[in-house]
Amino acid sequence: GAGVSQSPSNKVTEKGKDVELRCDPISGHTALYWYRQSLGQGLEFLIYFQGNSAPDKSGLPSDRFSAERTGGSVSTLTIQRTQQEDSAVYLCASSPGRAGETQYFGPGTRLLVL
Amino acid sequence: GENVEQHPSTLSVQEGDSAVIKCTYSDSASNYFPWYKQELGKRPQLIIDIRSNVGEKKDQRIAVTLNKTAKHFSLHITETQPEDSAVYFCAASTKAAGNKLTFGGGTRVLVKP
Repeated sequence: GAGVSQSPSNKVTEKGKDVELRCDPISGHTALYWYRQSLGQGLEFLIYFQGNSAPDKSGLPSDRFSAERTGGSVSTLTIQRTQQEDSAVYLCASSPGRAGETQYFGPGTRLLVL
Repeated sequence: GENVEQHPSTLSVQEGDSAVIKCTYSDSASNYFPWYKQELGKRPQLIIDIRSNVGEKKDQRIAVTLNKTAKHFSLHITETQPEDSAVYFCAASTKAAGNKLTFGGGTRVLVKP
């Protein structure tokens, strides 16, 4: 079946602009996670959703970052007033939720802030 | 919160030899430990995972061991092949924390033909 998809695959923006990143999880997966991977670094947790609720937003770096999920499916991660330090690969993962914890990753969105 | 340490950061092995990567975690409540392989420019791919009620798991050339008392787990790759070259990440999670993954810093493995 279809895996996790993300769009756009690449995004170049100017400092100060807002960006929206999209994640389409595996159909039926109730849990959705956002992670960030800076160049040559590990993966850093940002936020997770169970259904449309976000019980844990503790990883969001600042109030410029927000995310939502609608219909228990698609999620968008929004970064307002982007800064150069926001440049990274933003990865989304989904899992069956209470039915299983294995997370499957999307291909990521590579964000470059000039 | 959880902290995961991973060693070594780089590992070079001769084709056919074994590779071992070790991770330690801090939260004794962690109960799920996956390993991901990430090739350059690609998404992380799950290669094996282990749950806290199991001490060892094998899948062909890959095995993972877990020592809950010492809070460490290891990945073993036998008979390494050039296609095993990649960055490997260990991770830990707890059900109580929504199964969010805390990752180790990664190990860059190079298998020399």
